[in-house]
Amino acid sequence: QSALTQPASVSGSPGQSITISCTGTSSDVGGYNYVSWYQQHPGKVPKLIIYDVSNRPSGVSNRFSGSKSGNTASLTISGLQTEDEADYYCSSYTTSRTLGYVFGTGTKVTVL
Amino acid sequence: EVQLVESGGGLVQPGGCLRLSCVASGFTFSSDWMHWVRQVPGKGLEWVSRIKSDGSETNYADSVKGRFTISRDNAENTLYLQMNSLRADDTAVYYCTRVKTYFDYWGQGTLVTVSS
Repeated sequence: QSALTQPASVSGSPGQSITISCTGTSSDVGGYNYVSWYQQHPGKVPKLIIYDVSNRPSGVSNRFSGSKSGNTASLTISGLQTEDEADYYCSSYTTSRTLGYVFGTGTKVTVL
Repeated sequence: EVQLVESGGGLVQPGGCLRLSCVASGFTFSSDWMHWVRQVPGKGLEWVSRIKSDGSETNYADSVKGRFTISRDNAENTLYLQMNSLRADDTAVYYCTRVKTYFDYWGQGTLVTVSS
């Protein structure tokens, strides 16, 4: 399985909005509404922040939102805060080569 | 409270084998698909394998197919990953995860180092 494509890094100033893209194929992102997003701080376990494209788990800030168009999913962080500085990964169910899941390449978010 | 506790990691020589375990608590283990995900320190996440709630279906990433075997014991609430023919590029932290359509609970991970 090929990893989903994310930008290596995205940065923004406090209070700004940023968007992270996640590009796959019709066998994963484009074919199923099973895209999820994870936040990982250094040395910590990944944390689910968006599931099934645009749903937020209980307790996750509404500054995080997700969407999808075609083969590309997006995560938007609005009102950027210093604690948002972390690595972000998308994931999707996939039927490419094997039935399972695939993660994105990861994006480092820097708060300037 | 959901808990996933991995064990079994360590240092192993290339070509060697290792079995990881993950003990689950706080949810009905026998109802859920369980997965293994790995992460090379400082690098990205890689999905490794999954097993259906009753153990009747398994899937693997191409990178581990034929070398790794996932299994579970629902009576003991335990997930396993048998890793054979280990290579240097299998060095990673291995996470046990519960999956609905998303990875909602993760263990703390166990480090596997393949080196001579």
